[in-house]
Amino acid sequence: GESVGLHLPTLSVQEGDNSIINCAYSNSASDYFIWYKQESGKGPQFIIDIRSNMDKRQGQRVTVLLNKTVKHLSLQIAATQPGDSAVYFCAVLRKGAQKLVFGQGTRLTINP
Amino acid sequence: DTEVTQTPKHLVMGMTNKKSLKCEQHMGHRAMYWYKQKAKKPPELMFVYSYEKLSINESVPSRFSPECPNSSLLNLHLHALQPEDSALYLCASSQQGGGSTYEQYFGPGTRLTVT
Repeated sequence: GESVGLHLPTLSVQEGDNSIINCAYSNSASDYFIWYKQESGKGPQFIIDIRSNMDKRQGQRVTVLLNKTVKHLSLQIAATQPGDSAVYFCAVLRKGAQKLVFGQGTRLTINP
Repeated sequence: DTEVTQTPKHLVMGMTNKKSLKCEQHMGHRAMYWYKQKAKKPPELMFVYSYEKLSINESVPSRFSPECPNSSLLNLHLHALQPEDSALYLCASSQQGGGSTYEQYFGPGTRLTVT
């Protein structure tokens, strides 16, 4: 099976600083990794994804890093803004599977 | 259009009621999902439909009955629920149903309260 963990339940950062949210997975056959943002009262919103044949992918203000050797995934948010306050979930998919396995989530709080 | 819509937004029902949750997407996605999310927890997969056929049932109690009338619609029929079934019910869709499943787009959810 797959388990996803190793996270901080909460993370507080100053507005304008960079944030790093971490995730670990257990199954080396995991092929696809996604980060979701969930604001209060809303469904999870896709942020960025990465496949196992890559180790880095960049989006707008976000970067996902994948270290397959230690089965670790991170989301970096540059120049954090108040609108970044949310719960961030990593999710992992094994090749050929349909079931996304979610981590427990990290609540990011932005201090003014 | 990259939107998954869900109705109703909120639902309060008694333990003897029968109700249905609805989900719709017009992205041409052929896989659709139901998740249950309790407060401060990640979404938990309930059902997956792939090309309008049920492909995964995560041992969900029979008081939850999914239905996929066509490739754009997904329903969840509720009957004789328990108070512990109160949660946010999320619908999602993705491009492919079998093999590799790409990013899942989530709807805003239905907040269900069972009294």
